[in-house]
Amino acid sequence: DIQMTQSPSTLSASVGDRVTITCRASQSISSWLAWYQQKPGKAPKLLISKASTLESGVPSRFSGAESGTEFTLTISSLQPDDFATYYCQQYSTFWAFGQGTKVEIK
Amino acid sequence: QVQLQESGPGLVKPSETLSLTCTVSGGSISGYYWGWIRQSPGKGLEVIAYMYYTGSTAYNPSLQSRVTILLDMSKNQFSLKVGSVTATDTAMYYCARHEYGVGLQHWGHGTLVTVSS
Repeated sequence: DIQMTQSPSTLSASVGDRVTITCRASQSISSWLAWYQQKPGKAPKLLISKASTLESGVPSRFSGAESGTEFTLTISSLQPDDFATYYCQQYSTFWAFGQGTKVEIK
Repeated sequence: QVQLQESGPGLVKPSETLSLTCTVSGGSISGYYWGWIRQSPGKGLEVIAYMYYTGSTAYNPSLQSRVTILLDMSKNQFSLKVGSVTATDTAMYYCARHEYGVGLQHWGHGTLVTVSS
């Protein structure tokens, strides 16, 4: 099975900061990677599919990129609504999530 | 707008079978993958199983011996059974729809299942 290693596990940042979360796949997954945002008590919300395609309605400050088996989610200017936990997920083979990154207020 | 709703007992005794149903409204079962994902308290997301509307299934290897996923297109529902549960199966259980090549676009609100005597 393909393993997803996500880092960091926790990220402390301030409003307006640029933040980047990384996810590394244990083998090639092409671009079959999605990013989700989860707030406490809520189901995850799909932000980005196919590594870099922004879902409809998701603010443009979110972006995704890939380089080989390394994928990144960047928030260009952190907003108060963005403090949440973020997960990557590969869907090349049996679906698997990364461990999650909690973005907290610094 | 597609909506998913999980239903089932919130409390299950150890060694018994956990049974959940996901009812899909506002859209068809056809053309999509349907899956179950769980989240233990304070932990990350774990894929349990999923299936394509044609009937092909995929199971988490660590759970495969205890898990069954089924689809009922006539009722626009799919279900999950987890046998021989223990306290480690206590979690929020989500059902979700996956569009090929896109990801899990639609989720239910989740249902908390506690395994306890």
